Parts: sequence; C-alpha cells; structure tokens
Amino acid sequence: EVQLAESGGGLVQPGGSLRLSCTASGFTFNTYWMSWVRQAPGKGLEWVANINQDGSEKYYVDSVKGRFTISRDNAKNSLYLQMNSLQAEDTAVFYCARGRGYYSFDQWGQGILVTVSS
Amino acid sequence: QSVLTQPPSASGTPGQRVTISCSGGSSNIGSKTVSWYQQLPRTAPKLLINSKNQRPSGVPDRFSGSKSGTSASLAISGLQSEDEADYYCVAWDDSLKGPVFGGGTKLTVL
Repeated sequence: EVQLAESGGGLVQPGGSLRLSCTASGFTFNTYWMSWVRQAPGKGLEWVANINQDGSEKYYVDSVKGRFTISRDNAKNSLYLQMNSLQAEDTAVFYCARGRGYYSFDQWGQGILVTVSS
Repeated sequence: QSVLTQPPSASGTPGQRVTISCSGGSSNIGSKTVSWYQQLPRTAPKLLINSKNQRPSGVPDRFSGSKSGTSASLAISGLQSEDEADYYCVAWDDSLKGPVFGGGTKLTVL
C-alpha cells in the first residue's frame, strides 16, 4: 500500500523557518517526481514545488521562489521542503503528493499544518 | 484568482446527474490534459480522474471526465450523499511551467 506521511509542521513566527518532511513507503520512491501542494484555511489547493527523480530538477510557484527549497533523499525515501522567511500568507496545510502535476498527482499524504503567526 | 475557473458551488438531489465545469486557456486545458480530484470534508484530496481520463481503482464509474477546447467537465451520475465534497481540476500550464488548479467546486447533495 502506498503511503505518504508528512511531519515537521507547527507554529512559527513571521520571518522564521520550518522544514517539512514526507516519508514514502509502498512504492519505488526514486522513480517518481514528487511535489508539495498547499491549502490555506478555507481556500483551494495550490501547487508549491516539485522535484524530479534524482533531485536535479526543481521548480517552484513564483510566490515561494527564493524562500522555499525542495529536496529529497532517495536512500531514506524522503521528500523535504525547507521554508525560510515565512509569512502569514504561507499559513496552510501542506500536502506531499506523488507526481509533478504534468499528468496527475496520484497519491497524497494526509497533510501537515503550518501556522505563521506572532 | 485561479488560472482555471470553476463554479464555486453546485448541487443536486440523490440519483441526479450533475456536471462541474473547468475553464482555462490555450496554455493549459487547450493543449494539455486535465485531472480531477475529490476532497471530502477534513481529508486529503484524492485522484478521481487521471490525465488519460481514466478512473483509478476504486473510483465508481459514476464519475467521468471530458474536455472540449479550453474547457473540461466532470460528470457525476446517480448522485449519492457521499459525493458531497469539494472537487478540483488541474492542468499543466506551459506559460507558468507548472500545474495549475481550479478554485474548487463545493458539491452539495440536497
């Protein structure tokens, strides 16, 4: 069974940093693009970033470029999102998803809440 | 404001057929495939219709997708109470070089 489990969320002050992790199981992790997708409270879904199989290609939505960094460790079947200079507008549930969105996101984690507030 | 436009709400009675539209442009729906997602209350999104217009295992055949020009549609036939959820369309956008989501449609089963 495919499973994606996010961790590392929580409350952080504006300007602070947080690192999200996503641990994958049940599939060959290093053969898939992976993505982060977020959902602000009461709002719709927004793609944040994606990374190719070996980590050599990374893409971001404009609003997080220069602040967020996506990475992966295939030996640990893990995906990461380093978030710096966090702003109130970054408050959201962050989902780890399998795929890059060119075709589809076919598996999703349960999501992890990030709250940016003083 | 989302790149892909969906109606914010839709409704139907049990057994009815409802459709949810998703409107885009030439850089996304007009030239790329569309996938659809269902998000039940307080849960993670789930793939409903993939980019090949196929249903993943476990998705009832009451759900179907279609596309014409720069618009796509999700049809749900034989509406059931458990279909009450938010529905999102997604397509790759060549101009933005990334996937774009519709704003979501909240489906209410009356």
